[in-house]
Amino acid sequence: GAVVSQHPSRVICKSGTSVKIECRSLDFQATTMFWYRQFPKQSLMLMATSNEGSKATYEQGVEKDKFLINHASLTLSTLTVTSAHPEDSSFYICSAPNGRGREPYEQYFGPGTRLTVT
Amino acid sequence: AQSVTQLDSQVPVFEEAPVELRCNYSSSVSVYLFWYVQYPNQGLQLLLKYLSGSTLVESINGFEAEFNKSQTSFHLRKPSVHISDTAEYFCAVTGGLGGKLTFGQGTILTVHP
Repeated sequence: GAVVSQHPSRVICKSGTSVKIECRSLDFQATTMFWYRQFPKQSLMLMATSNEGSKATYEQGVEKDKFLINHASLTLSTLTVTSAHPEDSSFYICSAPNGRGREPYEQYFGPGTRLTVT
Repeated sequence: AQSVTQLDSQVPVFEEAPVELRCNYSSSVSVYLFWYVQYPNQGLQLLLKYLSGSTLVESINGFEAEFNKSQTSFHLRKPSVHISDTAEYFCAVTGGLGGKLTFGQGTILTVHP
């Protein structure tokens, strides 16, 4: 099956620094990837849609200058949290749809990245 | 616009008992429905999905869900749960090809011995 990886799995950073999170589709190409964040005991909230070769599409209320998304290739999207603050501490999850074959609507999720800002 | 409501935030059950996790959705277009399971500190794993065809869909580990268009529901059921089923379950909907998912609030299923 399709596999999506994320790196790092956990990161602790100091307030004011920037953190980059990578999302890779390991055995398929993804022209689109999605970034979600999940607060403790809450659901996943879509932050943005990452598009290979073009700008990301951000959901309402998400600061595009704070959460920089770069879809560098058909297998890699990165999310950079700039000037991180404690309120940015969360679980960040990416997903990618595998449009090949018989299941074009299925999305594959990465294992998530736990960000803690001190 | 789409929305998903999971009516129960927590469901405690005893091992080998049946369970139903409820999910209702609203959408102005045709939808595709999913149930995902999340174990602590892990990403989401697809449990089952409804795309078209038979309204009753099953997973390999004994869960099933039925798409009910008239009631706009997609409830998840299992006739006999195991301790290992303890996790958080999310119902999700999308209206398009590889499109973004809208998630429900999640239901924490806790199976007690």
